[in-house]
Amino acid sequence: SQTIHQWPATLVQPVGSPLSLECTVEGTSNPNLYWYRQAAGRGLQLLFYSVGIGQISSEVPQNLSASRPQDRQFILSSKKLLLSDSGFYLCAWGFRDRRNQYEQYFGPGTRLTVT
Amino acid sequence: AQKITQTQPGMFVQEKEAVTLDCTYDTSDQSYGLFWYKQPSSGEMIFLIYQGSYDEQNATEGRYSLNFQKARKSANLVISASQLGDSAMYFCAMREGNMNRDDKIIFGKGTRLHILP
Repeated sequence: SQTIHQWPATLVQPVGSPLSLECTVEGTSNPNLYWYRQAAGRGLQLLFYSVGIGQISSEVPQNLSASRPQDRQFILSSKKLLLSDSGFYLCAWGFRDRRNQYEQYFGPGTRLTVT
Repeated sequence: AQKITQTQPGMFVQEKEAVTLDCTYDTSDQSYGLFWYKQPSSGEMIFLIYQGSYDEQNATEGRYSLNFQKARKSANLVISASQLGDSAMYFCAMREGNMNRDDKIIFGKGTRLHILP
């Protein structure tokens, strides 16, 4: 079965510090991968998605970046965090099943607090 | 323009009653998919149900069913016989993209459901 991992689970970082959040997927190959951010009490905002190694599409221009160095690894980074970067970061992977129906599942999330 | 609209920011429902969570969407694609997710206080996003735009029958998964009205562009989630554990945030989402790999999902702002004992 497929599993998606995220770490760390929680993170407290000062303003201006760098960020690196990692997401890995097991049990599948060549998945679509996504990074979402959820501000407190709000909906999900799609930040980046990737359809393959080295292929990143950005949905929202900001001080964050994403990379996909390996097929099942997706990394969210920042060189200098802002207070507004605080939130719950969710990685997700998507695939089409045998009926060509699209499914998407989420990792456990990383709660980031920028102080 | 907002593509997924959930007009109910919060709902209070008595336990064992049926619940309908509203969702309307906007797309010009012929092929799309609609999802509902549940997010309890723990933060995890739990996939509940999926409806493809070409599916003729409404999707059902246990106590969850999706009332798909294509002409009205609505995809309401119905929870039968609600339980206390159903208290959570519920998100409607839509998959846009063609039949290739450019799939991505856009989420509504969510509805917070409170089940009362």
